[in-house]
Amino acid sequence: AQSVSQHNHHVILSEAASLELGCNYSYGGTVNLFWYVQYPGQHLQLLLKYFSGDPLVKGIKGFEAEFIKSKFSFNLRKPSVQWSDTAEYFCAVNVASGGSYIPTFGRGTSLIVHP
Amino acid sequence: KAGVTQTPRYLIKTRGQQVTLSCSPISGHRSVSWYQQTPGQGLQFLFEYFSETQRNKGNFPGRFSGRQFSNSRSEMNVSTLELGDSALYLCASQKDVGATNEKLFFGSGTQLSVL
Repeated sequence: AQSVSQHNHHVILSEAASLELGCNYSYGGTVNLFWYVQYPGQHLQLLLKYFSGDPLVKGIKGFEAEFIKSKFSFNLRKPSVQWSDTAEYFCAVNVASGGSYIPTFGRGTSLIVHP
Repeated sequence: KAGVTQTPRYLIKTRGQQVTLSCSPISGHRSVSWYQQTPGQGLQFLFEYFSETQRNKGNFPGRFSGRQFSNSRSEMNVSTLELGDSALYLCASQKDVGATNEKLFFGSGTQLSVL
């Protein structure tokens, strides 16, 4: 069965620190990868996605992620975090199933940024 | 354009009862999927509906069921509630179930507490 692993469950940083959240998936076929973010009290929303082309994708709010096919990874990065980046981050991979595509999510990483 | 609407926002039930949750997708979206979110397990896929048909089902017991109406609104039902069913239930919609790179639009969720 396909799975998505997020290695960091809780991350605490100070403002201006650099961020990298790990995401690895186990699926041998073509994948489409997503990072979703859930800010406190808000609903889940898309941060960025990769489906083809340049493996380095840029999302909203200065986030970027790099797809490394050989490592089955899609790590999320931000050079300098802000207090407002405090949120829960979920990595997801779309897997073909029954004529549609079902996202499999990782368990999430809780990021707390201290001002 | 209105977002994905889930009702009710909060529910408190006791063991053995049943519950019905409702989801109205974004206008024009025909695919609705449901997820269970818990602190320990992250987001887990429950099922997905497209044009009133269940296209995919996750690994949940038969106590969890759902349906979709002709206007794309969806309901999920949980019978014989157990304490472990306490979770945030999220609904998401997308326009076309066949597009692998389409993002999901999430609702705010229904927080279910089983006592």
